[in-house]
Amino acid sequence: NAGVTQTPKFQVLKTGQSMTLQCAQDMNHNSMYWYRQDPGMGLRLIYYSASEGTTDKGEVPNGYNVSRLNKREFSLRLESAAPSQTSVYFCASSEVRSGDGYEQYFGPGTRLTVT
Amino acid sequence: AQKITQTQPGMFVQEKEAVTLDCTYDTSDPSYGLFWYKQPSSGEMIFLIYQGSYDQQNATEGRYSLNFQKARKSANLVISASQLGDSAMYFCAMRNTQGGSEKLVFGKGTKLTVNP
Repeated sequence: NAGVTQTPKFQVLKTGQSMTLQCAQDMNHNSMYWYRQDPGMGLRLIYYSASEGTTDKGEVPNGYNVSRLNKREFSLRLESAAPSQTSVYFCASSEVRSGDGYEQYFGPGTRLTVT
Repeated sequence: AQKITQTQPGMFVQEKEAVTLDCTYDTSDPSYGLFWYKQPSSGEMIFLIYQGSYDQQNATEGRYSLNFQKARKSANLVISASQLGDSAMYFCAMRNTQGGSEKLVFGKGTKLTVNP
């Protein structure tokens, strides 16, 4: 049971290049999320997918697109990378627990540098 | 809009002592949940503890407890008997259910250093 996996772990891009960050979970969770973490900041939500076939914007969606390929996989695409997108990217998934509680499970993160 | 405030950028504690990490929140949603996550230097996010807004008792998980004061809108994390391995960043987060999903809003974090 791997939990949430992300690829790649590290990536360096030049300004204007594109790339896709991959995320997969094996816990049969309905909801998946993409966050970014910048120095001195907490995590900020980029996009989320409440269930297979749906996606929606979070707090900082500009410059990104997402695809919920199936229940397991949720990818994040940078069409034209900018230095401001240098960050650590976390994917997460969750399922509602009994009552109103739940826990988000996070992947190990992708460290992206845009030069 | 929902907001989490962590006012302590850094905290220091002696090994084996207790430490409290502060978290205040703002929301107009009557039903909400509060979380604490630990992020060691290796970078992964580790879930520690959860408190629901309707929970009558403060949550506890081993050496972690959550001092939940609803009227003051605070959800402080208490770590008892600190260990060197507790040195890490700690993030408070609130569940946001707008949009039909369970999104989290994070504070900026507190860096805890445990001294031997």
